[in-house]
Amino acid sequence: DQQVKQNSPSLSVQEGRISILNCDYTNSMFDYFLWYKKYPAEGPTFLISISSIKDKNEDGRFTVFLNKSAKHLSLHIVPSQPGDSAVYFCAASGELIFGAGTRLAVHP
Amino acid sequence: NAGVTQTPKFRILKIGQSMTLQCAQDMNHNYMYWYRQDPGMGLKLIYYSVGAGITDKGEVPNGYNVSRSTTEDFPLRLELAAPSQTSVYFCASSPHRESQPQHFGDGTRLSIL
Repeated sequence: DQQVKQNSPSLSVQEGRISILNCDYTNSMFDYFLWYKKYPAEGPTFLISISSIKDKNEDGRFTVFLNKSAKHLSLHIVPSQPGDSAVYFCAASGELIFGAGTRLAVHP
Repeated sequence: NAGVTQTPKFRILKIGQSMTLQCAQDMNHNYMYWYRQDPGMGLKLIYYSVGAGITDKGEVPNGYNVSRSTTEDFPLRLELAAPSQTSVYFCASSPHRESQPQHFGDGTRLSIL
């Protein structure tokens, strides 16, 4: 019973275009969400977060959108760069419930 | 500026052996965590600690033990290694629990044969 789901295991995007990574959750008590980025043989690194009192948070090329009624969040990367190629995890609240991750490949 | 340091990076164990995965952080963080990541899955919380002398179970604690004698160190102990414990283990720390990103180590890849 996954409380946080990332239904797309992989995504391929052309350099310069938008990457949209999606995440769904089931527990309406979650009030804080984070996105982490992970390169091979490294630990996850924090990318961006959003509180449930907001519906959008932006940091440079990265924007996270939260739709509480749909229990859905998404990460937009614009423009996508080859260095963005990694696995992206969404996670929820305190001890962190992680999704399974989406592998993003940005090709020239 | 080491952050979170995990040792060893790789280890192969035989069934029934025991070992300790080491984790140290130099950021004076109160909270520390152990996760495991199985192939194609997200990270699952094994144990966490809110400060020296205090530990608590996460989602998948069976087969593991932890201790937190200092703020800096949070070792994870496997007493009787089983093939189901083959995984990549990540240690993390954060200043607080809520609304604070966790800082992760680079992981320990453990194979049990």
